[in-house]
Amino acid sequence: GAGVSQSPSNKVTEKGKDVELRCDPISGHTALYWYRQSLGQGLEFLIYFQGNSAPDKSGLPSDRFSAERTGGSVSTLTIQRTQQEDSAVYLCASSFRASPTDTQYFGPGTRLTVL
Amino acid sequence: SQQGEEDPQALSIQEGENATMNCSYKTSINNLQWYRQNSGRGLVHLILIRSNEREKHSGRLRVTLDTSKKSSSLLITASRAADTASYFCATDGETSGSRLTFGEGTQLTVNP
Repeated sequence: GAGVSQSPSNKVTEKGKDVELRCDPISGHTALYWYRQSLGQGLEFLIYFQGNSAPDKSGLPSDRFSAERTGGSVSTLTIQRTQQEDSAVYLCASSFRASPTDTQYFGPGTRLTVL
Repeated sequence: SQQGEEDPQALSIQEGENATMNCSYKTSINNLQWYRQNSGRGLVHLILIRSNEREKHSGRLRVTLDTSKKSSSLLITASRAADTASYFCATDGETSGSRLTFGEGTQLTVNP
């Protein structure tokens, strides 16, 4: 595709429910990153994929968070039993390679609100 | 924890003026990047400076890096109202692999 796309753009859920956030990276990009941004804050790294593997999951805040990537393309971030502190904008980015010098291209984000 | 810290947190200037934003970091880095974010959504990469570089230019942007002070600055010259956005620095280091560590950001407002 022309750019990184994310869906849904907004998600409102009730505390305790599970949510799935989707990211479609730029075609041909092997690396995919998930970040979280709370209101007025910087980005917090969650996880990244090289192909379908996740070499670094260290940013996932708890075991309620998981992510997968299939076919080296689409990725899904799942949050189980959502809590109010999970409310944030979840941003996905992709790059040609998993190298810090390769520009990361960001999607528009999913704004998650947990009531 | 956030490695980068930007200052000021907010900056308001008039069109045509220069805007300078600063970023400080704590640990050794390989590269430092600046990103721009409009309306709290997707980020756009602006410029990357490597640890062995001291200054870099791209159009109206000028980035400096002082590894001895663990700091960087982003200068936007002849600012325009369209430059209004949040600006973030991001670093990567020897132990961070491909992950970037972002600062808290500077909110720049350019008044017409």
